Amino acid sequence: QKEVEQDPGPLSVPEGAIVSLNCTYSNSAFQYFMWYRQYSRKGPELLMYTYSSGNKEDGRFTAQVDKSSKYISLFIRDSQPSDSATYLCAMRIGAGNMLTFGGGTRLMVKP
Amino acid sequence: KAGVTQTPRYLIKTRGQQVTLSCSPISGHRSVSWYQQTPGQGLQFLFEYFSETQRNKGNFPGRFSGRQFSNSRSEMNVSTLELGDSALYLCASSSPVTSGGAVSVDTQYFGPGTRLTVL
Repeated sequence: QKEVEQDPGPLSVPEGAIVSLNCTYSNSAFQYFMWYRQYSRKGPELLMYTYSSGNKEDGRFTAQVDKSSKYISLFIRDSQPSDSATYLCAMRIGAGNMLTFGGGTRLMVKP
Repeated sequence: KAGVTQTPRYLIKTRGQQVTLSCSPISGHRSVSWYQQTPGQGLQFLFEYFSETQRNKGNFPGRFSGRQFSNSRSEMNVSTLELGDSALYLCASSSPVTSGGAVSVDTQYFGPGTRLTVL
């Protein structure tokens, strides 16, 4: 079993929908949680990062961390076709740069 | 600021050969990390270099090695290539993010990757 699990999708939604992307993890030592977006043939791009439990909002994006359940979420409001990409969750234990990634969820937003 | 650059972007090698990939970090970034991305295993951490020293290492065989130069540019080398080494190799550079006067955690910025195909 992988340390970080993520539904691979694909997840197909109509434009304007609210999207919910999720990851579960098994290592309770993870403290920092990130969401990356990766377009085809590009490197991942950092969207959000959160330290420990709680919510964080940035524009149309909201990241939630529930450490008691070992569950993190990314919500995208008013989804756009340009949001079509693979979304990767990532986590790390300390302040170093060794990230553990989920497998990624492919999102398709249809006009 | 220019982003992270990786060269070459595409590479085709045969089994048994070795390969060297190059990464130029964002100006001012001192940490460079390498990741391997495959459809089956996803993104996996290879190693991280900071100030020319390896700071972290993932669970990969010794055929995978790297180094960092005094200008923070980094190279990774894979010797005795195997078919399973075919992957997208990503480099990420980072610098601590300050918040309210306190140094926070590093934020990693990825390059476009080098697509390695082993025949």
